[in-house]
Amino acid sequence: GIQVEQSPPDLILQEGANSTLRCNFSDSVNNLQWFHQNPWGQLINLFYIPSGTKQNGRLSATTVATERYSLLYISSSQTTDSGVYFCAVGITSYDKVIFGPGTSLSVIP
Amino acid sequence: NAGVTQTPKFRILKIGQSMTLQCTQDMNHNYMYWYRQDPGMGLKLIYYSVGAGITDKGEVPNGYNVSRSTTEDFPLRLELAAPSQTSVYFCASRPLTGNQPQHFGDGTRLSIL
Repeated sequence: GIQVEQSPPDLILQEGANSTLRCNFSDSVNNLQWFHQNPWGQLINLFYIPSGTKQNGRLSATTVATERYSLLYISSSQTTDSGVYFCAVGITSYDKVIFGPGTSLSVIP
Repeated sequence: NAGVTQTPKFRILKIGQSMTLQCTQDMNHNYMYWYRQDPGMGLKLIYYSVGAGITDKGEVPNGYNVSRSTTEDFPLRLELAAPSQTSVYFCASRPLTGNQPQHFGDGTRLSIL
């Protein structure tokens, strides 16, 4: 089956710093999503981005489907950005979704 | 608009007991999903459904059953609870058309002792 990898597995940032999280996948996908799981366990959808670039405030994401990777860029990080970031790929027309292992981000004041 | 609602939020079961995790959505979404998340890990797809009366297995379906009699409800059944099923269970839904993201419930934390 398809393999989804994320890097780095863990990241510690000083508040205000920028970071880039990467998601690699081993086969063609129909779509890709980025999620943030906050410290209370809630999953929040950040981007639905099968290709191209999207921006939402301090966050932006780029997916290059032909090269099988996606990037999540966080600028001017805040302590509320802490949590785990997951990418998830849809591998069928029915959107059978496979999650990556996540990147754990800690933003310290 | 409640979105995706999961009940219960917490549950402790004894080995061999059975239970049903409830999931309901009020957004008229065709696609619904069940995931489990073990500590420190990503989410694994258990079952999914593309509409009422249609279900299919995900990555880790063993030990679980689902049904989809209505568009709104997608219950997950554990028949013989085992310690390996201790996990947090998430339900999600998505509309049929368009580039739309999945909407997640807040999860059910289940412990099997």
